[in-house]
Amino acid sequence: DVKVTQSSRYLVKRTGEKVFLECVQDMDHENMFWYRQDPGLGLRLIYFSYDVKMKEKGDIPEGYSVSREKKERFSLILESASTNQTSMYLCATLGFSYGYTFGSGTRLTVV
Amino acid sequence: QKEVEQNSGPLSVPEGAIASLNCTYSDRGSQSFFWYRQYSGKSPELIMSIYSNGDKEDGRFTAQLNKASQYVSLLIRDSQPSDSATYLCAVPTRNTDKLIFGTGTRLQVFP
Repeated sequence: DVKVTQSSRYLVKRTGEKVFLECVQDMDHENMFWYRQDPGLGLRLIYFSYDVKMKEKGDIPEGYSVSREKKERFSLILESASTNQTSMYLCATLGFSYGYTFGSGTRLTVV
Repeated sequence: QKEVEQNSGPLSVPEGAIASLNCTYSDRGSQSFFWYRQYSGKSPELIMSIYSNGDKEDGRFTAQLNKASQYVSLLIRDSQPSDSATYLCAVPTRNTDKLIFGTGTRLQVFP
């Protein structure tokens, strides 16, 4: 089975901090995605990547950046955390049949 | 109009009944459709995919697709309390691998 590992399950950060969310997959998938999930708004795409060093903006990229230096690792960076970035963050990879596999999620609270 | 729409629920059904979950989409050119199940506090997991008009069955789950009417549904037969979760409908954006998710329908199966 594909395994997608997100480094932290729960995270509490202060406003203005730089925050790194890490995602690692073990199946050599090219496509990786970062979503955030909020009540009533569903899953919204922040950034995605089709290959190493390649990134594309999703629907809500403002306040975020990403890094993909190696195929298996896709990092989401909050340059200066704000309270409106409190959310559940989900990393996903895309397999051969459009089946996204999600990591377990990181619940980030910015205080 | 949202790209993917679902009734937020909750949909309450008794144990053993058929639960019917519906989803409509706006892009008439969409070719593939996915249902994810998400337990509270967990990440989504893929349970069904469907590409052709008609029904696709997998155990107690049946996905139904009607492209002319632009809706896709998920039927759960012999509903169990363990089926209580939020069910997300997802559709790829045209010519990309990005999935657009509905906000989900919360299903409650009571004993």
